[in-house]
Amino acid sequence: KAGVTQTPRYLIKTRGQQVTLSCSPISGHRSVSWYQQTPGQGLQFLFEYFSETQRNKGNFPGRFSGRQFSNSRSEMNVSTLELGDSALYLCASHRGQEDTEAFFGQGTRLTVV
Amino acid sequence: AQSVAQPEDQVNVAEGNPLTVKCTYSVSGNPYLFWYVQYPNRGLQFLLKYITGDNLVKGSYGFEAEFNKSQTSFHLKKPSALVSDSALYFCAVRGPHTNAGKSTFGDGTTLTVKP
Repeated sequence: KAGVTQTPRYLIKTRGQQVTLSCSPISGHRSVSWYQQTPGQGLQFLFEYFSETQRNKGNFPGRFSGRQFSNSRSEMNVSTLELGDSALYLCASHRGQEDTEAFFGQGTRLTVV
Repeated sequence: AQSVAQPEDQVNVAEGNPLTVKCTYSVSGNPYLFWYVQYPNRGLQFLLKYITGDNLVKGSYGFEAEFNKSQTSFHLKKPSALVSDSALYFCAVRGPHTNAGKSTFGDGTTLTVKP
């Protein structure tokens, strides 16, 4: 069974640009969450999608957005990149029930210069 | 609101000795508690979870954790540490009426096991 796939693995962007990250969840998982991981802030929740609907959103500015497609694949977009957006972006998929654990992808390392 | 505290940034143990990585939580209602491990440049891997039932939970790679409701703690333990256990460990909590994808994670504890 394939795991969670995130693409690309590494990305370098210039301040002011925008970026799109992709996540393919485990087959059959309908819930996808996104987290930002930085050395100073730890793991911060960005948003969660379930069946193409955003169920929860973390405390991030509107420059951060996402969506989920009918095949459960998800994308997140960051517009007008800032240096502080440099981080490891992690995607996690769930079967959807409350008591289930998350399965994480390897992450996309975004560097903004 | 839900929160997690991992009071130690770093834990150092000698190989073969027991290890403990501490976690305390705050949540409304009965908690769902999780431990994950992260190796360098990798995503998080699930180790174990407490949902209900026996307070001592056994997980992957010989790890176990004890749920203590009165102390609101969920400490990760292993009887005999291996050098390969060196990694970053995260505790996570979710309330019973919180969607599966919205867990709150601690800041992580770096475990270093020395030969």
